[in-house]
Amino acid sequence: QVHLVESGGGVVQPGGSLRLSCAVSGFVFSSYGMHWVRQAPGKGLRWVAFIGYDGSKKYYADSVKGRFTISRDNSKNTLYLQMNSLRAEDAAVYYCAKVPYDIRPDIFYIDVWGKGTTVTVSS
Amino acid sequence: EIVMTQSPATLSVSPGERATLSCRASQSVSNNLAWYQQKPGQAPRLLIYDASTRATGIPARFSGSGSGTEFTLTISSLQSEDFAIFYCLQYNNWPPWTFGQGTKVEIK
Repeated sequence: QVHLVESGGGVVQPGGSLRLSCAVSGFVFSSYGMHWVRQAPGKGLRWVAFIGYDGSKKYYADSVKGRFTISRDNSKNTLYLQMNSLRAEDAAVYYCAKVPYDIRPDIFYIDVWGKGTTVTVSS
Repeated sequence: EIVMTQSPATLSVSPGERATLSCRASQSVSNNLAWYQQKPGQAPRLLIYDASTRATGIPARFSGSGSGTEFTLTISSLQSEDFAIFYCLQYNNWPPWTFGQGTKVEIK
């Protein structure tokens, strides 16, 4: 069974940094692309970042570009999100999410989500 | 960036009735559209992908239709466990991947 477990959330001051982790199990992590998606309190879902199966392709939302870095360690079955220069508007539940296998190229929707980790940005 | 617009924002439905949710894309996304259900305090769950294919384990009362810019999620007979917020996601033109703002289905 596929499991995604996020950790690393917490309270951080504006301008601070945080690194989120997502430990996965139940599938061959090194074969799948992964997303980070966030949800501010009471708001909808917003895509944050994507990384390809081998880490060679990375994409970011404009709102986090230059501040956040997505990475992965396939030997540890773990996805990361390094978040720097945090702002109040970055406060949210952050979900890691898996892309399904699809024989078609460039099809990267989400089939499985973690339970999320909460980031609070406050002085 | 493709903008996804869902309507209505809130849908009040009685158990056993049909619910019809709409998702519109600002430009064609072919059939590269997914639907998710999110209950309070929970992560989203994939219901439909490729506009009309039910994900594994999703009951047949959930169906999706549409292509291009207009999509519909239909719940044929609402059960108590179906009341939630539903989101559409386009994965045709990226980055960014874009979600609709959500439709809340509440008990009438």
